[in-house]
Amino acid sequence: AQKVTQAQTEISVVEKEDVTLDCVYETRDTTYYLFWYKQPPSGELVFLIRRNSFDEQNEISGRYSWNFQKSTSSFNFTITASQVVDSAVYFCALSEGMDSNYQLIWGAGTKLIIKP
Amino acid sequence: DAGVTQSPTHLIKTRGQQVTLRCSPKSGHDTVSWYQQALGQGPQFIFQYYEEEERQRGNFPDRFSGHQFPNYSSELNVNALLLGDSALYLCASSIATSGRANEQFFGPGTRLTVL
Repeated sequence: AQKVTQAQTEISVVEKEDVTLDCVYETRDTTYYLFWYKQPPSGELVFLIRRNSFDEQNEISGRYSWNFQKSTSSFNFTITASQVVDSAVYFCALSEGMDSNYQLIWGAGTKLIIKP
Repeated sequence: DAGVTQSPTHLIKTRGQQVTLRCSPKSGHDTVSWYQQALGQGPQFIFQYYEEEERQRGNFPDRFSGHQFPNYSSELNVNALLLGDSALYLCASSIATSGRANEQFFGPGTRLTVL
């Protein structure tokens, strides 16, 4: 059965520290997609990244980076030099099969608090 | 370029009533998905509409129904409301034939409170 686990319920760091949010997934499919979304207090989910199962290259976008490791079924997200505006709930999600499958399986989210 | 819009922002209903939530997709998007997000949890997929038909459905009872209009906007209807239906209802849009069809963009949500 498919499942996404975000074991860290809440993380609190001081501004400018680096922080890594963990995501572990379970799936029997060989083709799948992984996502990260940010949900600020306003409630709107903001798309951050999509990664397919055939692309294990790590990705960097500014202060954000993602580490995808199929061997450990993990798709971790690191924020470098964190800022107060990074405070939000971050969700990892999984979609199995072809990209026409719209059903995302979501983790419970990690609440990130960045203190000034 | 307008993003996904939802209305109303907040709604208060009583048990047994019916509610209709509305969503307009991002410009150029043709597919709308609906999610329910209870407080402190991740979203749960309700269903998805494309070409005015329900294409996929999550594990939700028939009390949850929807519709998609020719302009791609969508409605979510919930009948016989229960206290447990209190949640943030999120609409997401995407493009079916883009090659990135499951890359979904979300609206701000409708906060439904059932008393």
